[in-house]
Amino acid sequence: GQQLNQSPQSMFIQEGEDVSMNCTSSSIFNTWLWYKQEPGEGPVLLIALYKAGELTSNGRLTAQFGITRKDSFLNISASIPSDVGIYFCAGRGFGNEKLTFGTGTRLTIIP
Amino acid sequence: DSGVTQTPKHLITATGQRVTLRCSPRSGDLSVYWYQQSLDQGLQFLIQYYNGEERAKGNILERFSAQQFPDLHSELNLSSLELGDSALYFCASRGQGPSPLHFGNGTRLTVT
Repeated sequence: GQQLNQSPQSMFIQEGEDVSMNCTSSSIFNTWLWYKQEPGEGPVLLIALYKAGELTSNGRLTAQFGITRKDSFLNISASIPSDVGIYFCAGRGFGNEKLTFGTGTRLTIIP
Repeated sequence: DSGVTQTPKHLITATGQRVTLRCSPRSGDLSVYWYQQSLDQGLQFLIQYYNGEERAKGNILERFSAQQFPDLHSELNLSSLELGDSALYFCASRGQGPSPLHFGNGTRLTVT
């Protein structure tokens, strides 16, 4: 099925570093969502974006809905050990009920 | 806690068997979605129901079916199971309008 291009696939960073990941799509979306998934659990919503150009923060997390409607990025500032997990972007097009997920970015924090 | 409840948490069964996965959406949510996640893979959309009716279909196999009941809970039926059906199956629900999906903690299916 259709998937978004999410990069990078994995990141190995030190505690305290900033993190940036992004998603691109060949289709225009009217909704971009960012989720985090930890082992054995379902994806948990981090940030929801509904307008092109929208920049939204949730604590140390900031996400933007790209102006072209075909991309979005997520930044995490000053990473901490509990940020470890897999981050997924997801998008929904106009008149489309289906939410398409990116392939995920696995974040690992090096001691 | 997302408010979406899935049972059972784990399921181990043999090839050729049939299983039923159950989902209770968040209170007030009319839409229920089912996703499959294989090992180290992304989430693949299977099917969506809205207020008891099928609304959208993804790459769901003919061996799989789902329904949503009047009380809005949903069941995903998987039959003639194959080894490749082993995966995490997630249910999600959402409210009206431009709202996000809220996921349950999934059912881990192992087919031996």
